Amino acid sequence: ETGVTQTPRHLVMGMTNKKSLKCEQHLGHNAMYWYKQSAKKPLELMFVYSLEERVENNSVPSRFSPECPNSSHLFLHLHTLQPEDSALYLCASSPQVASGYEQYFGPGTRLTVT
Amino acid sequence: AQSVTQLDSQVPVFEEAPVELRCNYSSSVSVYLFWYVQYPNQGLQLLLKYLSGSTLVKGINGFEAEFNKSQTSFHLRKPSVHISDTAEYFCAVSEMLPTSYGKLTFGQGTILTVHP
Repeated sequence: ETGVTQTPRHLVMGMTNKKSLKCEQHLGHNAMYWYKQSAKKPLELMFVYSLEERVENNSVPSRFSPECPNSSHLFLHLHTLQPEDSALYLCASSPQVASGYEQYFGPGTRLTVT
Repeated sequence: AQSVTQLDSQVPVFEEAPVELRCNYSSSVSVYLFWYVQYPNQGLQLLLKYLSGSTLVKGINGFEAEFNKSQTSFHLRKPSVHISDTAEYFCAVSEMLPTSYGKLTFGQGTILTVHP
């Protein structure tokens, strides 16, 4: 499989649940990103990882916990979410964690918090 | 901090007509500029980008964009659209700073609907 994949594609969870989103890139890239896409709001950057090290946390609440065990995999662990966290969560990767490089996006995970 | 404004939230056009999707940005430093497209139930795909050099940039699927530094704009154009161009289009910028870590700041998106 090529490109950036995300699982699951759809997730419904209650506010007391714990779940994880997974992202995998098969492009040999060094940088990985989590974005949140809410209805009627611009895409927001959440986290940036460079070679498995987190380099940016864009003021994201602690109920979102990222993990990057290696340069090909990125997780977003979710716990005690709120209904306003319902959104499309997009993962992206890039050759380098620097401006000017194209980011390659996965298809996203549609999250609904009930 | 940078910001991106896409002036039209929705643009309806007929097939084979020309289209322009407008994008203005604000930043205190120089930026790189991008246009991405998102088809239903898919992630974003890069259409084109401006890094330096010629201000007219050609991308995939017949799209092009022109960088205008004085007007801080990066409008997207296509001379003749197809039904398959129906999608949401996002303008984005990335500041030319090491500490930006490639962060993309997006506009709110423009939904292009092409009618037969």
